[in-house]
Amino acid sequence: DTEVTQTPKHLVMGMTNKKSLKCEQHMGHRAMYWYKQKAKKPPELMFVYSYEKLSINESVPSRFSPECPNSSLLNLHLHALQPEDSALYLCASSRGQGVSYEQYFGPGTRLTVT
Amino acid sequence: DQQVKQNSPSLSVQEGRISILNCDYTNSMFDYFLWYKKYPAEGPTFLISISSIKDKNEDGRFTVFLNKSAKHLSLHIVPSQPGDSAVYFCAASARDFGNEKLTFGTGTRLTIIP
Repeated sequence: DTEVTQTPKHLVMGMTNKKSLKCEQHMGHRAMYWYKQKAKKPPELMFVYSYEKLSINESVPSRFSPECPNSSLLNLHLHALQPEDSALYLCASSRGQGVSYEQYFGPGTRLTVT
Repeated sequence: DQQVKQNSPSLSVQEGRISILNCDYTNSMFDYFLWYKKYPAEGPTFLISISSIKDKNEDGRFTVFLNKSAKHLSLHIVPSQPGDSAVYFCAASARDFGNEKLTFGTGTRLTIIP
C-alpha cells in the first residue's frame, strides 16, 4: 500500500468556522508533511513531523494548527481563516525526514474560504 | 524570490520523440534535486532524483542531467508516450540535517501529441 489518503477532497468554510483536514498513511513512514499550493504556483512547505514530533514550522500563521496523534495520522486544524488561505492543501509522507527519502503525496484537499 | 525556476510553463511534444524539461536554480547550497510528476486531481509522484556529486542519473525512459556550474538541470523523457502528459515539477534541497526541505519550481505542463 503506497497510498496517502486525505479527507475531505473539497471544503468550503467561512472565516469564523473551525474545521480540520485529515491525512492518513499505512506505509510505516515516520515523517509527514503539510504543503500549501496556490493556483499556478509550486507547493510550499508548511509543517514537517518526524517521529510524531513537529520538526519544521515554516512560520505558518497560528490559525493553522497541525497535530500528529500517531505515526499514521496527521491533522491540520483550521480556525479563523482568511480568503487568501484558499488553496490546495497537500499531505505527504516519507520513510524518514530527509530529501533522499521519497515523499509520497496525497491527492490534496481543495479549501475555499468565503 | 523564486529559488527554483521552470521558465517554460508548457511544452508539446510528438509521441515517440524526446521531451526535454528544464529547471534553473539560484541557491548554490542546493545539493539534491528531484523531479515530480502530477496528474490532475492527484498528488505529485516522485520520478527521479540526482545528487550534486553526479551529473547524470538514468531510470528507464527518464534521465536527469545536472550542470552545477550553470545551476541547471534537465529531465529527458525518451521515447515520449501519451501517459507522460502531466505537470512536471523540479524540486531542490540543501543538506541541513534535520531541517531538509524541498523547494519546488512552478511546473511545466507537458502534452504528448499522439
